[in-house]
Amino acid sequence: QLQLQESGPRLVKPSETLALTCSVSGASISSGTYYWGWIRQPPGKGLEWIGSMYERGSTQYNASLKSRVTMSVDTSKNQFSLKLTSVTAADTAVYYCARHGPRGFDYWGQGTLVTVSS
Amino acid sequence: EIVLTQSPATLSSSPGEAVTLSCRASQNVNNYLAWYQQKPGQAPRLLIYDASNRATGIPARFSGSGSGTDFTLTISSLEPEDFAVYYCQQRYNWWTFGQGTKVEV
Repeated sequence: QLQLQESGPRLVKPSETLALTCSVSGASISSGTYYWGWIRQPPGKGLEWIGSMYERGSTQYNASLKSRVTMSVDTSKNQFSLKLTSVTAADTAVYYCARHGPRGFDYWGQGTLVTVSS
Repeated sequence: EIVLTQSPATLSSSPGEAVTLSCRASQNVNNYLAWYQQKPGQAPRLLIYDASNRATGIPARFSGSGSGTDFTLTISSLEPEDFAVYYCQQRYNWWTFGQGTKVEV
C-alpha cells in the first residue's frame, strides 16, 4: 500500500524559507512511471499545484511560484522535498505531497499545516 | 495557464437527489480532466480521471462526461457521505485545479 507522509516545521517566520519533506513507502520514487508533486491549500480556499518531479529529478514548477520554489529528491531515503523561499503570510496553507500520473493525483499525504508568522 | 471555472460555487441538495457539477476550461484540454472529492480535514480523493473513468473503488453513482472545454460530474443519488467539496483538475498543460463546488445539505 503506497503511503506518503509530509514532515517539516509547522511555523515559519516571514521572509524565511519553508522546507518540507515527503517520505514515500510502498513504491519507489525512482521508478520513472509517475510524477511526485506538491499541492497547497490556504485555509478555507482551493487547491494550488506548486510543482512536480519526474524521474532523475526533472522538475516543473507553477509559474507563479517558480522564482521561489525548489524541489529535490533523495532516492536513497525514498523522499522528495520542497523549499519555498521568502515566505509571507500568503504562503500559510496545508501542504500536501502526492503521486500523480495519467490517472491524476491518485495518492496523497495527509497534509501538514504550515503557518507563516513572526 | 489553463483556468478551470467550476459552477455553482455551492449546491444545496438532499440525500437521494441527483446533482450535476460543471467545470469549464479556458482552453481545450481534450479529455485530460479529473474530479476529486474533499471532506473537511482530509486530503482530496480521486474520483474520475480522463473525464469519464472512475478511479479504483469509486461507486457507480459517480459519473463524469465532457471533452474539450466543458465537463460535468454527476452524482446520481446523493448519499450522506457525498456532501463535500468537489474539484476538477486538468493535466493537458501542466496541472491546475478549479476553485471547487461545495455540495451541502
